[in-house]
Amino acid sequence: DQQVKQNSPSLSVQEGRISILNCDYTNSMFDYFLWYKKYPAEGPTFLISISSIKDKNEDGRFTVFLNKSAKHLSLHIVPSQPGDSAVYFCAASAGPDKIIFGKGTRLHILP
Amino acid sequence: DGGITQSPKYLFRKEGQNVTLSCEQNLNHDAMYWYRQDPGQGLRLIYYSQIVNDFQKGDIAEGYSVSREKKESFPLTVTSAQKNPTAFYLCASSMGGDISYEQYFGPGTRLTVT
Repeated sequence: DQQVKQNSPSLSVQEGRISILNCDYTNSMFDYFLWYKKYPAEGPTFLISISSIKDKNEDGRFTVFLNKSAKHLSLHIVPSQPGDSAVYFCAASAGPDKIIFGKGTRLHILP
Repeated sequence: DGGITQSPKYLFRKEGQNVTLSCEQNLNHDAMYWYRQDPGQGLRLIYYSQIVNDFQKGDIAEGYSVSREKKESFPLTVTSAQKNPTAFYLCASSMGGDISYEQYFGPGTRLTVT
């Protein structure tokens, strides 16, 4: 039973365009959401987060949108750059012992 | 410079042997975590510790044990009771146990048990 779903295993985007990564969740108890980026052979690095009391959080080129009624969040990267090519994990939490990660989406930025 | 170290990067063991994975951080973080990642899967929480001498089970704690005798160190032992120990193991730390604190991850240890 996947509580956090990233339905697109991979995504290819032209450099300079917008990358949109999606994440759906099923547990309405989740109150904090995070995005991590992972390069091969490295640990994930934190990108951006959002609390359930907000619907948008922006940090430079990265914006996360939360739609609580749809139990959906998305990460927008604009403009996309070659260094953005990585695997992106969505995570949802209802406390320190309840952190669920999605399976990840591999983003390819095309030249 | 500060960070989280995990050693070794690759580890090979025979079935039936216990093995301990090291995780050290010099970030002065209170909370530490162990995750497991299998191919095509998300990260799953094994154990976490919010303070020294205290730790809690995560979603998949069976077959694993941990200790937190020092703030800087959170070793994970994969016991022979763990049915499918071959995986990529990630350690993380954060300033506090609240999830709003950013988690910093180590580079991971890939364990292969044959």
